[in-house]
Amino acid sequence: GENVEQHPSTLSVQEGDSAVIKCTYSDSASNYFPWYKQELGKRPQLIIDIRSNVGEKKDQRIAVTLNKTAKHFSLHITETQPEDSAVYFCAATERGGYQKVTFGTGTKLQVIP
Amino acid sequence: GAVVSQHPSWVICKSGTSVKIECRSLDFQATTMFWYRQFPKQSLMLMATSNEGSKATYEQGVEKDKFLINHASLTLSTLTVTSAHPEDSSFYICSASSQESSYEQYFGPGTRLTVT
Repeated sequence: GENVEQHPSTLSVQEGDSAVIKCTYSDSASNYFPWYKQELGKRPQLIIDIRSNVGEKKDQRIAVTLNKTAKHFSLHITETQPEDSAVYFCAATERGGYQKVTFGTGTKLQVIP
Repeated sequence: GAVVSQHPSWVICKSGTSVKIECRSLDFQATTMFWYRQFPKQSLMLMATSNEGSKATYEQGVEKDKFLINHASLTLSTLTVTSAHPEDSSFYICSASSQESSYEQYFGPGTRLTVT
């Protein structure tokens, strides 16, 4: 089955700086990579996703890159704000059917004002 | 956007009792629902995949007789924790998916279970 590793487990940045979270996956069949933000006690929220036929995707301050050959993908948050503080999960799945999503271990991001 | 609800949002029960958690897709028909368990400061761990009208598929290590899943309709799946023990205390989250939503998973708000 799929195995998703995520680093770092915790990340502290100053407000306005950038934050980068990295993930690797093991199953070459995975073709869809969503990123979720989860605040304490709440449901995960999809913040951005990328498919395997795309190398990079950007949405305002958030970007995701994918290296399919190396099975690496990363989340980049620029100009961080205190409200970005949360736990972020990467995930991998094989889109196109009712495939289960495998989550990474999570990164607790703290943005220091 | 698609809305998924869970009920109850939190529950406290005594050890040895059973608890039922409901997951509903409010504005779309969910052919498949997923049940996750999340312990504090940990990731979401898939427990089982539930398809409407058929038996759930459980992940390795999840006791199917302890965690009963029923997906009786296209908008409702239930998870029953039977003979609950304190180690079953966790945050249980469901998600729903359908072909019409391009298989994207929409998460419920979660249920906090505390077993005393």
